[in-house]
Amino acid sequence: EDKVVQSPLSLVVHEGDTVTLNCSYEVTNFRSLLWYKQEKKAPTFLFMLTSSGIEKKSGRLSSILDKKELFSILNITATQTGDSAIYLCAGALSQGGSEKLVFGKGTKLTVNP
Amino acid sequence: KAGVTQTPRYLIKTRGQQVTLSCSPISGHRSVSWYQQTPGQGLQFLFEYFSETQRNKGNFPGRFSGRQFSNSRSEMNVSTLELGDSALYLCASSLAGVSGHGYTFGSGTRLTVV
Repeated sequence: EDKVVQSPLSLVVHEGDTVTLNCSYEVTNFRSLLWYKQEKKAPTFLFMLTSSGIEKKSGRLSSILDKKELFSILNITATQTGDSAIYLCAGALSQGGSEKLVFGKGTKLTVNP
Repeated sequence: KAGVTQTPRYLIKTRGQQVTLSCSPISGHRSVSWYQQTPGQGLQFLFEYFSETQRNKGNFPGRFSGRQFSNSRSEMNVSTLELGDSALYLCASSLAGVSGHGYTFGSGTRLTVV
């Protein structure tokens, strides 16, 4: 069964801290690993990772994929209160001639001032 | 460009009723996927439509169905509602339904079954 596991499930930090969110996956016909941020309802895209060892970076956020060990991490440096959200990790797998996303349950990050 | 539009935003239904939710994808996108999000299970894949054809289906009972129109707008229907169907239903719009093209999510429809 395809599954994605995220840890920790929740995290409370202070502004300025650095956090690392973890995502492990067991997905057949793997295509890519996606990270999303969900603040209210609509998840918004952060990163798509397909190759091992290549870091993707956007401002204070960065992410990397290890296809051998089947995991990915999302790093956020110098956290701000606006980073408070649920961070979702999803494995994209090919199935039935198309693709579907298998999501982890998310990490709820709370950044306190 | 306009984003993904889901209507209605909120719904309250009674057990046993049926409900229809709508998703209008980004203009030019031909793939629409549907997901159910609950606190216990997270986001779970329901089905994906591309050019009016269902290409993929998740592990949900037959009470959950969908369709896609020629303008790429999609609807999902849930019949004989159960309390456990209470959830946030999200749709994702994609050019062709592959991660390389990206998925853009709508804000969802919050369904409450009482």
